[in-house]
Amino acid sequence: DGGITQSPKYLFRKEGQNVTLSCEQNLNHDAMYWYRQDPGQGLRLIYYSQIVNDFQKGDIAEGYSVSREKKESFPLTVTSAQKNPTAFYLCASSMKGVLHSGANVLTFGAGSRLTVL
Amino acid sequence: AQSVTQPDIHITVSEGASLELRCNYSYGATPYLFWYVQSPGQGLQLLLKYFSGDTLVQGIKGFEAEFKRSQSSFNLRKPSVHWSDAAEYFCAVTTDSWGKFQFGAGTQVVVTP
Repeated sequence: DGGITQSPKYLFRKEGQNVTLSCEQNLNHDAMYWYRQDPGQGLRLIYYSQIVNDFQKGDIAEGYSVSREKKESFPLTVTSAQKNPTAFYLCASSMKGVLHSGANVLTFGAGSRLTVL
Repeated sequence: AQSVTQPDIHITVSEGASLELRCNYSYGATPYLFWYVQSPGQGLQLLLKYFSGDTLVQGIKGFEAEFKRSQSSFNLRKPSVHWSDAAEYFCAVTTDSWGKFQFGAGTQVVVTP
């Protein structure tokens, strides 16, 4: 079955460390996204990528970095510059397409929970 | 500024009772509207979406939503709630052809026996 795989599901980090969250999709989707979820704040967009080797900052990109070397993969690195990294991180993907075709509906992975010790 | 508002942070409903979750948006043009559901510790699952046409849309798990342009609302409803409907529900909107979404803060639904 096609889908999005995020790993690890749980991750603990010491202050000052960088950590990388993995996101892999086998849906042949063009676009991939990283969202951060905090209680009571909904989902906020960190980074997104529409094609390989290209990505754009979302609303809260500071302290994060990404790469898109393959269509299937969009890893997120939480750097030591991120002041409050404890959160639930969600990766999503969508097909390229105009809105009314319905092709841009987001498909989500199961998430990764990062806790800073 | 563009925004999505879910006025109810938390709703408690009895099993078998009806459920309505509110969503209001503020956008320059009519956006495309979605409802997602999230079980604890999981990703989000699409319940339904509105792009155009009939303003009453049907989704999975017996949910429906009504788009009201005059009220800038897209409320989610279910006639009879099951215990498995306990979850967090998110309203989302986009005007972007690539699907950059803006999400509401979510409504936590608790179902009591």
